[in-house]
Amino acid sequence: QLQLQESGPGLVKPSETLSLTCSVSGGSISSSSYYWGWIRQPPGKGLEWIGSIHYSGTTYYNPSLKSRITISVDTSKNQFSLKLNSVTAADTAVYYCARHEGSPAAGNSWFDPWGQGTLVTISS
Amino acid sequence: SYELTQPPSVSVSPGQTASISCSGDKLGNKYICWYQQKPGQSPVLVIYQDKKRPSGIPERFSGSNSGNTATLTISGTQAMDEADYYCQAWDSTTPVIFGGGTKVTVL
Repeated sequence: QLQLQESGPGLVKPSETLSLTCSVSGGSISSSSYYWGWIRQPPGKGLEWIGSIHYSGTTYYNPSLKSRITISVDTSKNQFSLKLNSVTAADTAVYYCARHEGSPAAGNSWFDPWGQGTLVTISS
Repeated sequence: SYELTQPPSVSVSPGQTASISCSGDKLGNKYICWYQQKPGQSPVLVIYQDKKRPSGIPERFSGSNSGNTATLTISGTQAMDEADYYCQAWDSTTPVIFGGGTKVTVL
């Protein structure tokens, strides 16, 4: 059974870079069939897609965050990572990683399963 | 930018049918999926490609999509179905868009 687990600092200072890693177990991140995505949810609010990556390195980013995001993949460790720079309090959220199935470019995709999520607070 | 609109809340009596809408311009021309999120938990996929159910999702969950509106229907709603539900679709500028979410209350 595929499992995903987010890890990283729970507290980041304003203007610094948020860095998270998602470890995938029970399956290979190098499967050509899947992308791997990051989604966030501010406390008490809805879901916001951040971006997704294929093991080949192809990425799709949310245009509203694109200038601040880098998503990378490490196939040797079966992990993928998120870096979000110049963070502000508005970036405080639970960050989820998930397997991104289907074809993002063709408008036919979904996330399943999701990691348990990790709360990242932006505060000095 | 493309937007998906969901009602903030829906109430339903146990055993009755809950219908959760998701509206967007020509949404019927796009594929949509739905997630269930219970308090303190991660979202779970309940419908993909408009009407397909993942393994393990009860048959009481069904989906449809036509015109400008997609609908998630929960037939014979149970107390355990009380949760937030999110729709997701695609736009030419953004591969993934989420609706604002609907809180389903089972009274």
